[in-house]
Amino acid sequence: DVKVTQSSRYLVKRTGEKVFLECVQDMDHENMFWYRQDPGLGLRLIYFSYDVKMKEKGDIPEGYSVSREKKERFSLILESASTNQTSMYLCASSFDLAGAQYFGPGTRLTVT
Amino acid sequence: GIQVEQSPPDLILQEGANSTLRCNFSDSVNNLQWFHQNPWGQLINLFYIPSGTKQNGRLSATTVATERYSLLYISSSQTTDSGVYFCAVGAYSGAGSYQLTFGKGTKLSVIP
Repeated sequence: DVKVTQSSRYLVKRTGEKVFLECVQDMDHENMFWYRQDPGLGLRLIYFSYDVKMKEKGDIPEGYSVSREKKERFSLILESASTNQTSMYLCASSFDLAGAQYFGPGTRLTVT
Repeated sequence: GIQVEQSPPDLILQEGANSTLRCNFSDSVNNLQWFHQNPWGQLINLFYIPSGTKQNGRLSATTVATERYSLLYISSSQTTDSGVYFCAVGAYSGAGSYQLTFGKGTKLSVIP
């Protein structure tokens, strides 16, 4: 079974803090993705990575950066958290870029 | 970008009833995936189905790519089927970049 884990289920941070969200997959998948999910807006792609140290912007990369130093780990970084980044963050991985995506449990981030 | 429309937006079923969820998409796609999001936020990949029909227990899905729609069938529904069902279509852009676009979902409530 594919297992994708995320570092926290719930996180509360203050405006201006630097925030790290970690995602780890155990299936040797080449591709990893970060999405955010908001009521009325659905799931939107922030960034994805198709190989170690390789990344591409999704629909809404502003205010975020990513890091992939090892194949199994993909980090999402909020350089200076703002209240409009309060959201559910979902990580996913896939073997092929256009293959089935498998999601982690999500991190519900609140920025106050 | 590709538009993905799901219907109905909300559905209430008595336990044991059958249902059909629909997903329409606006352009040619490389793949189509169905997901179930449980009440705790976890997204589970149900089907990877670019075309044809697949079955998994009480669930089955059919994609007619030439007519740009997919159907998800749930038979003998159970309360554990409650949650939101998402359709997502994957496509490569002219620039060679790939993206999975999600619909807004169908919220299913199965009552005892």
